[in-house]
Amino acid sequence: NAGVMQNPRHLVRRRGQEARLRCSPMKGHSHVYWYRQLPEEGLKFMVYLQKENIIDESGMPKERFSAEFPKEGPSILRIQQVVRGDSAAYFCASSLSVTDTQYFGPGTRLTVL
Amino acid sequence: AQSVTQLDSQVPVFEEAPVELRCNYSSSVSVYLFWYVQYPNQGLQLLLKYLSGSTLVKGINGFEAEFNKSQTSFHLRKPSVHISDTAEYFCAVRADPQGAQKLVFGQGTRLTINP
Repeated sequence: NAGVMQNPRHLVRRRGQEARLRCSPMKGHSHVYWYRQLPEEGLKFMVYLQKENIIDESGMPKERFSAEFPKEGPSILRIQQVVRGDSAAYFCASSLSVTDTQYFGPGTRLTVL
Repeated sequence: AQSVTQLDSQVPVFEEAPVELRCNYSSSVSVYLFWYVQYPNQGLQLLLKYLSGSTLVKGINGFEAEFNKSQTSFHLRKPSVHISDTAEYFCAVRADPQGAQKLVFGQGTRLTINP
């Protein structure tokens, strides 16, 4: 049973470009969470999605960031017009139900030049 | 809202020595508590969790943690550490099922095992 998969593992973008981060949850999991880990800090919640719905986006920056979890395919975290401050590790987690344990993927490390 | 404080940013110990990583939390509602481990350049792996019941929780790799409601603490312990335990450890809380589903993490404790 494959775990949570994220790609790419490493992503380099120049300022002003777009970054797309993908997350495939564990088989059977319909709840997806995105977290961001800035250097030397803990993880901070960004957004919680179920299939085709955003449930909680209280941690998402108001501009340039968006997330989706379509009926088919992976969840996507999209960052438009990236800036150096967006450089971080972005982790996706999934769970079987709303009360179940969250299982984390290996993360995508975004570097903005 | 919930918050988590991990009192030590770094903990160096010698191999085979005992270790305790401290975690305190703040919440106005009941919470679930978790410890995750992050090895270099990897994702987070669940070590153990407290949902209800016995306050002493046993996890993987010989780790255990004790929930203390009066002190709002959830300290992680291991009686004898190994070089392979070198990693970053994160304490996290989540509100009960009626609350928000997001995990709130502490800043992390870097555990370094010296031979």
